[in-house]
Amino acid sequence: AQSVTQLGSHVSVSEGALVLLRCNYSSSVPPYLFWYVQYPNQGLQLLLKYTTGATLVKGINGFEAEFKKSETSFHLTKPSAHMSDAAEYFCAVSHTGFQKLVFGTGTRLLVSP
Amino acid sequence: EAGVTQFPSHSVIEKGQTVTLRCDPISGHDNLYWYRRVMGKEIKFLLHFVKESKQDESGMPNNRFLAERTGGTYSTLKVQPAELEDSGVYFCASTEGGRAFYNEQFFGPGTRLTVL
Repeated sequence: AQSVTQLGSHVSVSEGALVLLRCNYSSSVPPYLFWYVQYPNQGLQLLLKYTTGATLVKGINGFEAEFKKSETSFHLTKPSAHMSDAAEYFCAVSHTGFQKLVFGTGTRLLVSP
Repeated sequence: EAGVTQFPSHSVIEKGQTVTLRCDPISGHDNLYWYRRVMGKEIKFLLHFVKESKQDESGMPNNRFLAERTGGTYSTLKVQPAELEDSGVYFCASTEGGRAFYNEQFFGPGTRLTVL
């Protein structure tokens, strides 16, 4: 069975600091990996996804994530946080033949001035 | 182009009552998914429609939950009778047809259900 672990329910950074949100997955087959973001009163929005090919994936709003098979990780990073990045972030996994997404518990990013 | 819409945005009901949630997917999207997030926990899959057919309903908690998708357009999720543990945020998502397992699922804003 697939599962996703997001370390830290809350992460606080200062504006301009590096953002690192951790995601580890468990999957018996090659996974497809996703990061979604939810701003207040909005639906989840796709930030980026890894399917095959290049392991460093660039997404919207300056975010990127690297798929590391040996570490079963897909951590999300952004070099410089902006106030508008404050939101809840969800890592998710799916694989061929199973179209449902399996989510982690989410990480709320707090950005202080 | 309109996104995925859900109605109502909030619902507060008494234990034992019935509630029906509605989801309108993006026009032309064959795949429709329901998910639920109980407070503080992960978002969990409930079921998946392809057009009007249930492709996967492995996440439905019990037979108090009934999902339908009339004519392959909008979908409803009925909870009858509601229990306290049904409280949470119910999300709907849709994708185009075809190889949807890595296609982006477009999510609605969710319906927050509170059962008292």
